[in-house]
Amino acid sequence: GAGVSQTPSNKVTEKGKYVELRCDPISGHTALYWYRQSLGQGPEFLIYFQGTGAADDSGLPNDRFFAVRPEGSVSTLKIQRTERGDSAVYLCASSYRRQGRGELFFGEGSRLTVL
Amino acid sequence: SQELEQSPQSLIVQEGKNLTINCTSSKTLYGLYWYKQKYGEGLIFLMMLQKGGEEKSHEKITAKLDEKKQQSSLHITASQPSHAGIYLCGADGSGAGSYQLTFGKGTKLSVIP
Repeated sequence: GAGVSQTPSNKVTEKGKYVELRCDPISGHTALYWYRQSLGQGPEFLIYFQGTGAADDSGLPNDRFFAVRPEGSVSTLKIQRTERGDSAVYLCASSYRRQGRGELFFGEGSRLTVL
Repeated sequence: SQELEQSPQSLIVQEGKNLTINCTSSKTLYGLYWYKQKYGEGLIFLMMLQKGGEEKSHEKITAKLDEKKQQSSLHITASQPSHAGIYLCGADGSGAGSYQLTFGKGTKLSVIP
């Protein structure tokens, strides 16, 4: 079956622009996670969805970042007024049940470059 | 907050050699995950350890969680070029099946044929 799909794979934008990154999880996975990975670093947690609701958004760095999952499947990470420091690979992961009792399945990531 | 330190940061080995990567936590580990990442690809799950003293193996890769649950090691036997990549340890530090994994910075492994 298909894995976690993320689009676009690469996005180059100018400072101040708005960006949307999409994640299509594995079918049937109720939990969805967004992580951000900067060069030379491990992934950092951003937000976790259980179904349609954001169960924990404590990792979002500021109010320019927002994520939705309106139907409990596809999720979109939205970044307003992008800054150069937002440049990173944004990873989406899904799991059948809450992490800690199973593995996370990661997508290949969306590489965001802010010029 | 929990921090994970991985050592070494990078490693170059000759094909066929054994190697060990370590992951040390600043706090008790309630769940320790090992992932592998190749450039341009997502993280691939390798193993999960939860109990002190637990050891798991998959093909030529063995991971252990020490008794005190603050350190894990990943051992590769008879390395192959296919083992090359970045190995990341991730920790669940809350004991409640947390969804917030904290990751180390990774160990970059190169295997020379």
